[in-house]
Amino acid sequence: SQQGEEDPQALSIQEGENATMNCSYKTSINNLQWYRQNSGRGLVHLILIRSNEREKHSGRLRVTLDTSKKSSSLLITASRAADTASYFCATDASQNFVFGPGTRLSVLP
Amino acid sequence: EADIYQTPRYLVIGTGKKITLECSQTMGHDKMYWYQQDPGMELHLIHYSYGVNSTEKGDLSSESTVSRIRTEHFPLTLESARPSHTSQYLCASSDPRQGGNQPQHFGDGTRLSIL
Repeated sequence: SQQGEEDPQALSIQEGENATMNCSYKTSINNLQWYRQNSGRGLVHLILIRSNEREKHSGRLRVTLDTSKKSSSLLITASRAADTASYFCATDASQNFVFGPGTRLSVLP
Repeated sequence: EADIYQTPRYLVIGTGKKITLECSQTMGHDKMYWYQQDPGMELHLIHYSYGVNSTEKGDLSSESTVSRIRTEHFPLTLESARPSHTSQYLCASSDPRQGGNQPQHFGDGTRLSIL
């Protein structure tokens, strides 16, 4: 079974709205990362949050981590059409990261 | 953008052919990875390397092989391609000297289609 799993599988919003994606995982982690993948491209690292951190910001991105619930959320504020992509969480329960199936975000102009 | 390059970007080839997918990075990263990703799906780790002369199998069993003769180069080879090998292959690297599991830098992938 997957270590990390994003929810929802797909999300469609209007430009300017906020987008929230969630990631749940099963075993204890040292850190959790979020990545973005544009269609036909590789993944781009967005943000890393360590197990002793609860919240982290980077520009319009806000990531939270709740280790008691084994979950994380990624919030994109004031979304833009250019934010349309798939978003993946990756957890390091093993010596390598395990990626979830991703959330496909569509931001409509 | 990270300096990691994959060639070719697209490859359509017949069954039974030998294929080598190239991956090079100029960041001096010791750790490198190969992932297999079907469209719209999650990434599966098929191979990784801690450095020169190190190769390990990932979580997903694969008929491909890899080599790591130079730090910057991590090619993946399929000796005899089959339609079941049709997928996107992503290469990545990270710098473990910074400690722990560091962010991975990805290439843009090779989309492989076996006829």
